[in-house]
Amino acid sequence: GESVGLHLPTLSVQEGDNSIINCAYSNSASDYFIWYKQESGKGPQFIIDIRSNMDKRQGQRVTVLLNKTVKHLSLQIAATQPGDSAVYFCAENMGSSYKLIFGSGTRLLVRP
Amino acid sequence: DVKVTQSSRYLVKRTGEKVFLECVQDMDHENMFWYRQDPGLGLRLIYFSYDVKMKEKGDIPEGYSVSREKKERFSLILESASTNQTSMYLCASSNFYEQYFGPGTRLTVT
Repeated sequence: GESVGLHLPTLSVQEGDNSIINCAYSNSASDYFIWYKQESGKGPQFIIDIRSNMDKRQGQRVTVLLNKTVKHLSLQIAATQPGDSAVYFCAENMGSSYKLIFGSGTRLLVRP
Repeated sequence: DVKVTQSSRYLVKRTGEKVFLECVQDMDHENMFWYRQDPGLGLRLIYFSYDVKMKEKGDIPEGYSVSREKKERFSLILESASTNQTSMYLCASSNFYEQYFGPGTRLTVT
């Protein structure tokens, strides 16, 4: 029979508003975190990264916040645009190799 | 500009066929990775390689093998394709933590 896939959490925001995408990571020993954006039909693309010795890092229109106490990572997108519509993944690295462990993703929908 | 290419964007194979997925990177990266991506499950690591002829199993290696004969090329092999291997397959490469991804191959096994 037909299998039913799991549904992605979805965040719907109005164009121009700020977006906050959250991620809970699994391992307190993780020392590097990265956010990827995946548009339909494309591979994931790097957005921003942060090391565990920081709690905030800013890029162009994006900010990543790291709360190690509760193992939580967030991606803030300022003035969200239609081109920001995509699936966003967080990933962590535990330092023993260059492997990344990915979260299941959040879909961002931008309403015009 | 960095580039990771995958041999096919779409592929349809029959159950039991041997399937080869090819990935090439032009960044002289040491590490290469194969993931599969299924709805709601994120990216799951199948195999990775940190040097020519070196490979390590990821989280879901069963039913797959890999080959890395040259630094720039990393192949994923499905020895006998099954319907539960229908998925999106993503290749990536890196020298450090940031991984660069190819566009993906959507494989359907009928």
